Amino acid sequence: EAGVAQSPRYKIIEKRQSVAFWCNPISGHATLYWYQQILGQGPKLLIQFQNNGVVDDSQLPKDRFSAERLKGVDSTLKIQPAKLEDSAVYLCASSSGTGRSSTDTQYFGPGTRLTVL
Amino acid sequence: AQSVTQLGSHVSVSEGALVLLRCNYSSSVPPYLFWYVQYPNQGLQLLLKYTSAATLVKGINGFEAEFKKSETSFHLTKPSAHMSDAAEYFCAVTLNYGGSQGNLIFGKGTKLSVKP
Repeated sequence: EAGVAQSPRYKIIEKRQSVAFWCNPISGHATLYWYQQILGQGPKLLIQFQNNGVVDDSQLPKDRFSAERLKGVDSTLKIQPAKLEDSAVYLCASSSGTGRSSTDTQYFGPGTRLTVL
Repeated sequence: AQSVTQLGSHVSVSEGALVLLRCNYSSSVPPYLFWYVQYPNQGLQLLLKYTSAATLVKGINGFEAEFKKSETSFHLTKPSAHMSDAAEYFCAVTLNYGGSQGNLIFGKGTKLSVKP
């Protein structure tokens, strides 16, 4: 079974530029998550989708971050414009559950490492 | 609000020695608890999870953790460290009640080094 795929693996941009990350979850997984992992910290949830609907985006900085999951499969996360403090690893995860069970196992992709100069 | 605290950002053990990684949680309601491992340049992989069944939970790669409500702890152990265990380990908590969305709250992580 293929895992969660993410691209690109690395991205370097200047501040105020825009950037987009792509995630392809495990086939059949209804729930998709985007996390931000700043160096030296644990991952922090940015947004959770169930199919193509948003379940939780309370920690997404909506003035600069946006995410979509068209057709309930792939997802893109965009930052526009980027700030220095956005430098982090952006992790995508998926689960087969509804996203409303606390015991659902989340499967993580390898992440995209973003450096903002 | 729930949270987890991992004591020690870096732990070093010798190969064959006991591994003990500490995690304490704070939650106003019974929690579910998880341990994840992250190898360099890879995503997180679930080691084990506590979901209110047995308090001693066995995971992959010989790891286990014990839920102790009186101590609000969920420490991760392995009797004998192997070089391949060198990685970063994250403890995470989520809520155990209807309506919870399963959102994981992670600790800051503990980097495990294994000396030959």
